[in-house]
Amino acid sequence: QKITQTQPGMFVQEKEAVTLDCTYDTSDPSYGLFWYKQPSSGEMIFLIYQGSYDQQNATEGRYSLNFQKARKSANLVISASQLGDSAMYFCAMREYQGAQKLVFGQGTRLTINP
Amino acid sequence: NAGVTQTPKFRILKIGQSMTLQCTQDMNHNYMYWYRQDPGMGLKLIYYSVGAGITDKGEVPNGYNVSRSTTEDFPLRLELAAPSQTSVYFCASSPRTEYGYTFGSGTRLTVV
Repeated sequence: QKITQTQPGMFVQEKEAVTLDCTYDTSDPSYGLFWYKQPSSGEMIFLIYQGSYDQQNATEGRYSLNFQKARKSANLVISASQLGDSAMYFCAMREYQGAQKLVFGQGTRLTINP
Repeated sequence: NAGVTQTPKFRILKIGQSMTLQCTQDMNHNYMYWYRQDPGMGLKLIYYSVGAGITDKGEVPNGYNVSRSTTEDFPLRLELAAPSQTSVYFCASSPRTEYGYTFGSGTRLTVV
């Protein structure tokens, strides 16, 4: 398994921050890490991207990616969670050799409680 | 700009029937992919293509076939449908860059 998400489900109170864990395994020095959100409607929504050579952690609004290259982890942090954040979240990795396939983790189901 | 278009959105097949899931993109992307997502699981790669005329197997290709005669189209063929192929199927495309992976809205297939 190249992408591991160890939290099958998480429950968080509204307005709290939440961290979703993701570890990866690759020998390719050039790769990208992605987080996608999948609401109950089923579509895949891109959230945030981190390149392996990026010096700073990626941020997109309330989403940030805590990238620790030596530990091979790429945790998603959602600040000030909202009810609409309830969804499945997938971490994915794309190696930039060959076919550049996107490999997904098993997902974490996040539930935001009011 | 339509992006990645998948048809149909829903389909029920009987065991042993065949069908083709259609996928079209209008972004001139070289790379196209087919994934399946079983309930509560992540996406698994079925087949992929790095350009017209070039296809290759992914993680779970058994029971499926693909073709890529044009840059825009990447249909997925199911032969002799089985209950194990009940899943949601996603098509995706990307340019040859480090970004820009676009997904279709998915096809929910049930085999009974």
